[in-house]
Amino acid sequence: DTAVSQTPKYLVTQMGNDKSIKCEQNLGHDTMYWYKQDSKKFLKIMFSYNNKELIINETVPNRFSPKSPDKAHLNLHINSLELGDSAVYFCASSRWTGENEQFFGPGTRLTVL
Amino acid sequence: QQQVKQSPQSLIVQKGGISIINCAYENTAFDYFPWYQQFPGKGPALLIAIRPDVSEKKEGRFTISFNKSAKQFSLHIMDSQPGDSATYFCAASMDTDKLIFGTGTRLQVFP
Repeated sequence: DTAVSQTPKYLVTQMGNDKSIKCEQNLGHDTMYWYKQDSKKFLKIMFSYNNKELIINETVPNRFSPKSPDKAHLNLHINSLELGDSAVYFCASSRWTGENEQFFGPGTRLTVL
Repeated sequence: QQQVKQSPQSLIVQKGGISIINCAYENTAFDYFPWYQQFPGKGPALLIAIRPDVSEKKEGRFTISFNKSAKQFSLHIMDSQPGDSATYFCAASMDTDKLIFGTGTRLQVFP
């Protein structure tokens, strides 16, 4: 009965590869987010979706493409991975945009070699 | 304008002591100020939050103090326990906008 789940938990890959991270929430929330947490633990929002519609798109390289097949899922696809993409990626959800309490998933630690 | 500055970067407190973490912001349009707690290997979780119409909010051992004129807010953890050892993030947002996080404070509480 995990509220926000992500797969995989760990992802180790070579530079130049393409990879995806999946996120699912069973809270019935309308809004989902992707955050990146770097090695210094700094948390920065990347994207948010409300009911499958893109709401926030921060200055993220277009190698990153979120996809929301339905409001319970928000996946993150990353093309041509670079060393600097190594980080922990968190998915989060909230009841609606403006409902500020966000529930975070456990994170996916991406390591690019 | 969009930054939230957090200090200290790390904090060591003895069990039973008071832990204090401070944050400052510039954007006066921010109207929601949460604190998130993150344990190693886990995602952040909301601990306590405040809106600028009150100067203090208390939940158990955790208190937010808010100073609107100084554009500062702080988290006080009374009777700190080893189980409180975690990284704490302040954040701020405007209504429907995104959360802007501070840089985090690593708290260690020693028995």
